Amino acid sequence: DAGVTQSPTHLIKTRGQQVTLRCSPKSGHDTVSWYQQALGQGPQFIFQYYEEEERQRGNFPDRFSGHQFPNYSSELNVNALWLGDSALYLCASSLFAPGTVNTEAFFGQGTRLTVV
Amino acid sequence: AQTVTQSQPEMSVQEAETVTLSCTYDTSESDYYLFWYKQPPSRQMILVIRQEAYKQQNATENRFSVNFQKAAKSFSLKISDSQLGDAAMYFCAYRIRTGANSKLTFGKGITLSVRP
Repeated sequence: DAGVTQSPTHLIKTRGQQVTLRCSPKSGHDTVSWYQQALGQGPQFIFQYYEEEERQRGNFPDRFSGHQFPNYSSELNVNALWLGDSALYLCASSLFAPGTVNTEAFFGQGTRLTVV
Repeated sequence: AQTVTQSQPEMSVQEAETVTLSCTYDTSESDYYLFWYKQPPSRQMILVIRQEAYKQQNATENRFSVNFQKAAKSFSLKISDSQLGDAAMYFCAYRIRTGANSKLTFGKGITLSVRP
């Protein structure tokens, strides 16, 4: 059973460029959450997708956007990259069943984004 | 808003000894989960242990156990018989137990080194 997979593993971009990161959830999971982890810090919640809609968003500007596809995979897009966007971007998947407790989140290995 | 605080940036333990990692949190909710995640150099977040707030009994997983003090909003992790493979960053995290909000709120983490 494949876990959460993210691509690419590493990426270098120039200030002002745009980037797209990809995430495939664990088999059977339908919810994808994205986190930004700056060096030496804990992950910060960016947003969460369920049923192809953004359900919740953290304190991130509109330059950060996402998408979820019918197969539950997800993309994170960041426009007009800043140096401060350099971080590890983690994807986590889970199964959301309305009216019940949420299941455990499983994480991918992340995409290391460097903005130069 | 929920916050998670880990005030110790680094700790060191001798192999085979016991170490305790501290965490405090703040929330107005009564039904939530608390977690300890391990992040080795491979970057993937690995769930170490989970505690449900409504359970008074402290969770244990083999060499890992927690001391959950709900009134004090304290949640520490004890690692017994420390092994070299325990060296990693450890994050304390919080999540509401039910509803659509399944985002995790993380502390800043603590770097644990294990001396042979």
